[in-house]
Amino acid sequence: AQTVTQSQPEMSVQEAETVTLSCTYDTSESDYYLFWYKQPPSRQMILVIRQEAYKQQNATENRFSVNFQKAAKSFSLKISDSQLGDAAMYFCAYRSVYGNKLVFGAGTILRVKS
Amino acid sequence: DSGVTQTPKHLITATGQRVTLRCSPRSGDLSVYWYQQSLDQGLQFLIQYYNGEERAKGNILERFSAQQFPDLHSELNLSSLELGDSALYFCASSVSGTGAPLGEAFFGQGTRLTVV
Repeated sequence: AQTVTQSQPEMSVQEAETVTLSCTYDTSESDYYLFWYKQPPSRQMILVIRQEAYKQQNATENRFSVNFQKAAKSFSLKISDSQLGDAAMYFCAYRSVYGNKLVFGAGTILRVKS
Repeated sequence: DSGVTQTPKHLITATGQRVTLRCSPRSGDLSVYWYQQSLDQGLQFLIQYYNGEERAKGNILERFSAQQFPDLHSELNLSSLELGDSALYFCASSVSGTGAPLGEAFFGQGTRLTVV
């Protein structure tokens, strides 16, 4: 079974600075999807960024980018120019191309200081 | 707005009772997923329906059941409720039944269930 580990329960970043959230996963599959979801206080689960495992190029969405290291099974999220609105719980998630469910990590609370 | 609608937003009920949570997927999405988010268990997959049929099952208790109706909305039924069932229950939807093409699922805002 696949597992996802987020080793940082909580992180803090100064507004306008850069922060990196860590995620590692375990799988025996060669093809899969990886995601970062954001959960603000409103509870809504918002997709931040996705990565297809067969793509070597790291995904980027505006201020959000990932560092995908397939051999190391690592999938970190970098947030540049952090904003107060980035404060939320961030979840890393795995999904098999053959399966249906998302497997989530425990989450990282990101606090943004002004 | 993800396009996935969940009702009710909040629910408070007593132990031993039964409740029904409702989910309307995004227009055009055939798959509905149910997840439970609790403090001790984190976010866990419960069950998936695709076009009216059960497709995958996760850590769903026997006291819980779900179904998807012909109009594709889904209901999650929780019975003989215990204090430990207090959690945030999410519904998500996607176009396909498997991970293709992008594997993306869109989440509703969740139903906060409190069992007292």
